[in-house]
Amino acid sequence: DGGITQSPKYLFRKEGQNVTLSCEQNLNHDAMYWYRQDPGQGLRLIYYSQIVNDFQKGDIAEGYSVSREKKESFPLTVTSAQKNPTAFYLCASSPRDRSSYEQYFGPGTRLTVT
Amino acid sequence: SQQGEEDPQALSIQEGENATMNCSYKTSINNLQWYRQNSGRGLVHLILIRSNEREKHSGRLRVTLDTSKKSSSLLITASRAADTASYFCATDDNAGNMLTFGGGTRLMVKP
Repeated sequence: DGGITQSPKYLFRKEGQNVTLSCEQNLNHDAMYWYRQDPGQGLRLIYYSQIVNDFQKGDIAEGYSVSREKKESFPLTVTSAQKNPTAFYLCASSPRDRSSYEQYFGPGTRLTVT
Repeated sequence: SQQGEEDPQALSIQEGENATMNCSYKTSINNLQWYRQNSGRGLVHLILIRSNEREKHSGRLRVTLDTSKKSSSLLITASRAADTASYFCATDDNAGNMLTFGGGTRLMVKP
């Protein structure tokens, strides 16, 4: 059963704490992406990775960090430096390192920080 | 920065009617994609149209692309209640490294 999994579905944290969101894919895709979505809005790119051990900042990388130690995994850490972390976070992957191919999305993690 | 902007932001129609959503973008593209998102879920890819294509069909979906006007439209024919979702257009950067999504059109199809 191939696909992208994100866990957990809902996550609650206190302000000032770092939190790591999981993203795993078994599609053998090279590229992986993290997006943030605020209510009623579109997606904004946080980070992306085209290959293991390499990643690039997207439009809103401040306050976030990522790692890509394995092809299947691309975890996102929301640090205490992120001023407004409450949002819906979506992970995606694509079979090549060019966006001319469709992206496959996970089910998302809804993070609430109070 | 948001490359694509959808219009309208929200659309409510009756089952059986057609739904048209528009997307405008600012810079040149290699291709444009449309995605669908059910409430609280991930996005699902619907269709991709390349910059050298003008029209593409997939089932009840019809997408057009006008590169001179930097705009695209998504037509859903004979809509169903199950089509209720948000629809996003996405364009690539010239390097082909990443997609930029618009704000989406929220479609409600009433039974």
